[in-house]
Amino acid sequence: DAMVIQNPRYQVTQFGKPVTLSCSQTLNHNVMYWYQQKSSQAPKLLFHYYDKDFNNEADTPDNFQSRRPNTSFCFLDIRSPGLGDAAMYLCATSRERGGGSWEQFFGPGTRLTVL
Amino acid sequence: TQLLEQSPQFLSIQEGENLTVYCNSSSVFSSLQWYRQEPGEGPVLLVTVVTGGEVKKLKRLTFQFGDARKDSSLHITAAQPGDTGLYLCAGVGSTDSWGKLQFGAGTQVVVTP
Repeated sequence: DAMVIQNPRYQVTQFGKPVTLSCSQTLNHNVMYWYQQKSSQAPKLLFHYYDKDFNNEADTPDNFQSRRPNTSFCFLDIRSPGLGDAAMYLCATSRERGGGSWEQFFGPGTRLTVL
Repeated sequence: TQLLEQSPQFLSIQEGENLTVYCNSSSVFSSLQWYRQEPGEGPVLLVTVVTGGEVKKLKRLTFQFGDARKDSSLHITAAQPGDTGLYLCAGVGSTDSWGKLQFGAGTQVVVTP
């Protein structure tokens, strides 16, 4: 089945040690997103790619970077994780259905723990 | 920024009861999605509504999009324990060109046997 895949599902890192989370999609959607979600809250958008165009949310810390080498893959790099970066990280993809409406699909998430 | 106000924040009901979750905004959305999220998992898309006044049914779940495309509701009939989860509404603004979702705060639903 076409889907959004995230690896790993669980990631443990040490304070200040760089970490990379990965996302791949088989939906061939041109937009990909990275979200941060903390306990029982709504996901918070960090950035998105529209094809190769990268767009950062204004309040996304510089500590967070992203790469999209091709349509199918997108990576989230956290350069120096702090304790406050422990969260669920969600990747999503989107397509336009026509008439200005969009439909967004999420991956299962990566739970990041910072020790 | 288009704000989506979702209510209630928390619902605890007995199996077999009905429940309704509301999402309201002062802004128009070109489409609105409802998701259910279980602990440790990503949100799963339940439905997308795009037309004002639209009603969609998914088994015991009924979704409605307001006539003006500013509000939506989710109604669950005869809730079951498997309906437990975090329900999120999220809309795409009518002026957005890349599908950015504005999320409601979420409604935690607990259905006890």
